[in-house]
Amino acid sequence: QVQLQESGPGLVKASETLSLTCSVSGGSVNSGGFYWNWIRQPPGKGLEWIGYIHHNGNTNYNPSLRSRVTMSVDTSKSQFSLKLSSVTAADTAVYFCALGIVNIRGWLDPWGQGVLVTVSS
Amino acid sequence: QSVLTQPPSASGTPGQSVTISCSGTSSNIGRNSGYWYQQFPGTAPKLLIYRSDERPSGVPDRFSGSKSGASTSLAISGLRSEDEADYSCAAWDDTLGGPVFGGGTKLTVL
Repeated sequence: QVQLQESGPGLVKASETLSLTCSVSGGSVNSGGFYWNWIRQPPGKGLEWIGYIHHNGNTNYNPSLRSRVTMSVDTSKSQFSLKLSSVTAADTAVYFCALGIVNIRGWLDPWGQGVLVTVSS
Repeated sequence: QSVLTQPPSASGTPGQSVTISCSGTSSNIGRNSGYWYQQFPGTAPKLLIYRSDERPSGVPDRFSGSKSGASTSLAISGLRSEDEADYSCAAWDDTLGGPVFGGGTKLTVL
């Protein structure tokens, strides 16, 4: 069964770039039937979808973050990554990666455990 | 401000039934399936309901989902103390091209 795990710095300075990686085990990031998502949750608030990437590199980003988001996939390492530039305190959140299924729009499962990223001034 | 609207809190006593509602628009729930996620403090969301009324393997049949128009609902019967968690609704949004979420409902088992 597919498992995901996020990794990356828990503290990022304002105006710098947040970089996170999601490692995938028990499944292949090369599968055309899946897409790989990033979702975040500010403390005490609801979930916000950031975007997704397919194994072929095709991406779709939330328009509210599009100008600052870059996602990539490394099939050799079975990983996909998120970069969010010019961060501010509003980007402080728990960041999750999650698997989506191409033929079941909206499916998000499983999720990684999440990593809290705090933006400091 | 979340795209989908759900009550911030709900409660019930052990053995009771509780229903949590979630309203959206024609670009999300009105046109696509509803989803529900269960989340305990400090943990990741877990998929509870997909395609509005289907349960992934391992989810007890005490949990059920439905959809009507641009709203979706989660019903929990035979409430147990271990059901105390946050429940978030979600749906694919055709305008966004991705999923949108509700703000979450904190369920308290009294």
